[in-house]
Amino acid sequence: DAKTTQPPSMDCAEGRAANLPCNHSTISGNEYVYWYRQIHSQGPQYIIHGLKNNETNEMASLIITEDRKSSTLILPHATLRDTAVYYCIVRLPPFGNEKLTFGTGTRLTIIP
Amino acid sequence: NAGVTQTPKFRVLKTGQSMTLLCAQDMNHEYMYWYRQDPGMGLRLIHYSVGEGTTAKGEVPDGYNVSRLKKQNFLLGLESAAPSQTSVYFCASSGLAGLTDTQYFGPGTRLTVL
Repeated sequence: DAKTTQPPSMDCAEGRAANLPCNHSTISGNEYVYWYRQIHSQGPQYIIHGLKNNETNEMASLIITEDRKSSTLILPHATLRDTAVYYCIVRLPPFGNEKLTFGTGTRLTIIP
Repeated sequence: NAGVTQTPKFRVLKTGQSMTLLCAQDMNHEYMYWYRQDPGMGLRLIHYSVGEGTTAKGEVPDGYNVSRLKKQNFLLGLESAAPSQTSVYFCASSGLAGLTDTQYFGPGTRLTVL
């Protein structure tokens, strides 16, 4: 599986958009980009995933560059509850029996 | 729909004691997983199951045993606890393997072995 690189920490003002970058320069053509987050002491929470196209759901948007070597997770209106460690993962289907390698992620702090 | 639940939430054991952690999911998922997370580290897969009655070893299986007698339950056992097994344990489940499955995690069990 390809590896990912994320900044170790970021701050964002409450109510503003939080943009979290992820580099995955060695991603292969059929690997998906997944984002999870882990709020302190809780289990990881799935946020969003994508292959080539930009994706949006009720939690966030995912922007994947045309060459697929990087992506950005966007939380449109960050709240204090979005303070968490965010993990970018690349996964190769078929899924089901592989471990999720979370790495160190980005610690996002939302500032009041 | 409770999702993935884990019991207990906290436990303190003495070295050599045994215990069983229970994971239950109500999403009719085929796949279930047990991870451990140590301070400042990512998740490491202990064991997983691809269906009722099946189990397989993950990245760090030594010292643990698992059973999947019912589709909705996945048990993690420690036969003789060691201080090195002090960790937070997370259970997860996912649907049939496909292109877009996601793993849903439980709230975790914080285990301390003295």
